[in-house]
Amino acid sequence: EVQLLESGGGLVQPGGSLRVSCAASGFIFSSCAMSWVRQAPGKGLEWVSTISGSGGDTFYAESVRGRFTTSRDNSKNTVYLQINSLRAEDTAVYYCAKVRNPRILYPVDYWGQGTLVTVSS
Amino acid sequence: QTVVTQEPSLSVSPGGTVTLTCGLSSGSVSTDHYPSWYQQTPGQAPRTLIYSTDTRSSGVSDRFSGSILGNKAALTITGAQAVDESDYYCALYMNNGIWVIGGGTKLTVL
Repeated sequence: EVQLLESGGGLVQPGGSLRVSCAASGFIFSSCAMSWVRQAPGKGLEWVSTISGSGGDTFYAESVRGRFTTSRDNSKNTVYLQINSLRAEDTAVYYCAKVRNPRILYPVDYWGQGTLVTVSS
Repeated sequence: QTVVTQEPSLSVSPGGTVTLTCGLSSGSVSTDHYPSWYQQTPGQAPRTLIYSTDTRSSGVSDRFSGSILGNKAALTITGAQAVDESDYYCALYMNNGIWVIGGGTKLTVL
């Protein structure tokens, strides 16, 4: 059974940094790309980032490029999202998701339960 | 900037059929966009329903079907049930690992 468990969310001041993690199990982690999708309170879903199975390729939405960094540790079956220079508009639930198609790194077929990041002074 | 468009809200009667659509602010949706659909109920994580236009994800009821209708992707729900009352999001693959999610459709069953 595929399981994705996010952690690391919390309250952060504007301009601060945070790293959220996603521990995966139930599939061959190193063979699968992973994505991050976020959802601001009361708003829709927004794709944030995707990382290939090897970690050699990363892709970001324009809205976060340059501030967010996605990485992974295949020995720990964990993917990370480093968020820097946090802004109020980054307040959201951050979901990690397993990517189904390794060739085009899309779509996602399994989702975690999410971790809430709140940016406020 | 590419915008994926969806109806903000739709309603359907129990037992009825409803079609949700997914378009592009400029241009047509095709199978090359690998349309996918996600269902989300309040307070829950999204669930994948459809990928690659019309392939149902594991465990998804055959009451859900995907297609291309004209210049848009479509999600059709037949025999609507109260449990189908949710937010539905479509996503389209652009290129080079980039994909865009629509604003979502709030479906009411009444």
